[in-house]
Amino acid sequence: AQSVSQHNHHVILSEAASLELGCNYSYGGTVNLFWYVQYPGQHLQLLLKYFSGDPLVKGIKGFEAEFIKSKFSFNLRKPSVQWSDTAEYFCAVEGTGGSYIPTFGRGTSLIVHP
Amino acid sequence: EAGVAQSPRYKIIEKRQSVAFWCNPISGHATLYWYQQILGQGPKLLIQFQNNGVVDDSQLPKDRFSAERLKGVDSTLKIQPAKLEDSAVYLCASTSKGVGRGELFFGEGSRLTVL
Repeated sequence: AQSVSQHNHHVILSEAASLELGCNYSYGGTVNLFWYVQYPGQHLQLLLKYFSGDPLVKGIKGFEAEFIKSKFSFNLRKPSVQWSDTAEYFCAVEGTGGSYIPTFGRGTSLIVHP
Repeated sequence: EAGVAQSPRYKIIEKRQSVAFWCNPISGHATLYWYQQILGQGPKLLIQFQNNGVVDDSQLPKDRFSAERLKGVDSTLKIQPAKLEDSAVYLCASTSKGVGRGELFFGEGSRLTVL
């Protein structure tokens, strides 16, 4: 069975600060990796995804994530956050060796102060 | 393109009562998921459908939860009888890519409060 750990549950930053949210997963085979975001009052939506190829993936709104296979990690980064980035961020992993069940981490609440 | 529709948005019931949630996925999306999201936690998969067949329901508490997807389109999730610990947001999601490799499109969720 797969599992996902997000180590930062609450992050508070000032605008223009850099962001890195940690995500580690546990699974013995090949995985698909995702970051989803939920802005206040809105539904969950995809931020970026990794299936294969270049381990550095770029998503919407200037976000990027790097897959490090040896560390079972898929950390999310943004060089300069904005107030509008205030949201909940969820890392998700999907093992490709079985029924492709998308498993989510518990999420990180990001608050950006203007 | 219309998104995933869910209803009701909010429901308050007393324990031991029953409740049903409805989901209409994006047109043409064959795969449908129901997730339970308890406050402070990430979404937990309850059941996964491919068309009108169940792919995985291993985490569905079958003594009280049931779900169906008739005709491979709309889906209903039922809880009977409800317990206090069922208080959560129930999320429906769909994808066009079949099982695996697909971005999930989520509805706004149905928030259940059990008193």
